[in-house]
Amino acid sequence: AQSVTQLDSHVSVSEGTPVLLRCNYSSSYSPSLFWYVQHPNKGLQLLLKYTSAATLVKGINGFEAEFKKSETSFHLTKPSAHMSDAAEYFCVVSGDGSGNTGKLIFGQGTTLQVKP
Amino acid sequence: SQTIHQWPATLVQPVGSPLSLECTVEGTSNPNLYWYRQAAGRGLQLLFYSVGIGQISSEVPQNLSASRPQDRQFILSSKKLLLSDSGFYLCAWSGGGYSNQPQHFGDGTRLSIL
Repeated sequence: AQSVTQLDSHVSVSEGTPVLLRCNYSSSYSPSLFWYVQHPNKGLQLLLKYTSAATLVKGINGFEAEFKKSETSFHLTKPSAHMSDAAEYFCVVSGDGSGNTGKLIFGQGTTLQVKP
Repeated sequence: SQTIHQWPATLVQPVGSPLSLECTVEGTSNPNLYWYRQAAGRGLQLLFYSVGIGQISSEVPQNLSASRPQDRQFILSSKKLLLSDSGFYLCAWSGGGYSNQPQHFGDGTRLSIL
């Protein structure tokens, strides 16, 4: 079965400092992994996706994530935080293997606070 | 390009009243469609998904139902709302027939039950 664990429910950084949001996954097959961002009262926006190509994935707004199979991790990073990065972030793993339902498994989310 | 529309943005309903939330997708055909609920400060709970017209799968037993009368239209309904139905409802779509595609979300409906 597939699962995803976001290791921090809340992360606080200062503007201009690096961001690290941690995610571990469990999958019985080669997974697809995603990071989404959600601003208050908005839907989720796709930041980046890993689908078994390059292990270092670059996304929008300067974010990137590295797929590490040996560590079953897919941590999200950004070199320099901006105030507009304050939001909820979700790590997501594909949920149904070779099926066609497209179901995804969501982590519980990490709230990123950016201090001026 | 593909777009997803969800309405209304906010809704306040009394307990026991009916509900209808609508979601439509443009720019793609035969998408997979999803309804989620997000309680305050919580993650996403998948309520229903659909891989085709008239094909609805329910993930959790509840007071809600879903229908897909057209290829790109997905409706969430209830005959009688409960207080526990309050929450943020999100519709999403993904490419049909593929297992590892990302989902794309609408802007959500904030539902408050009084």
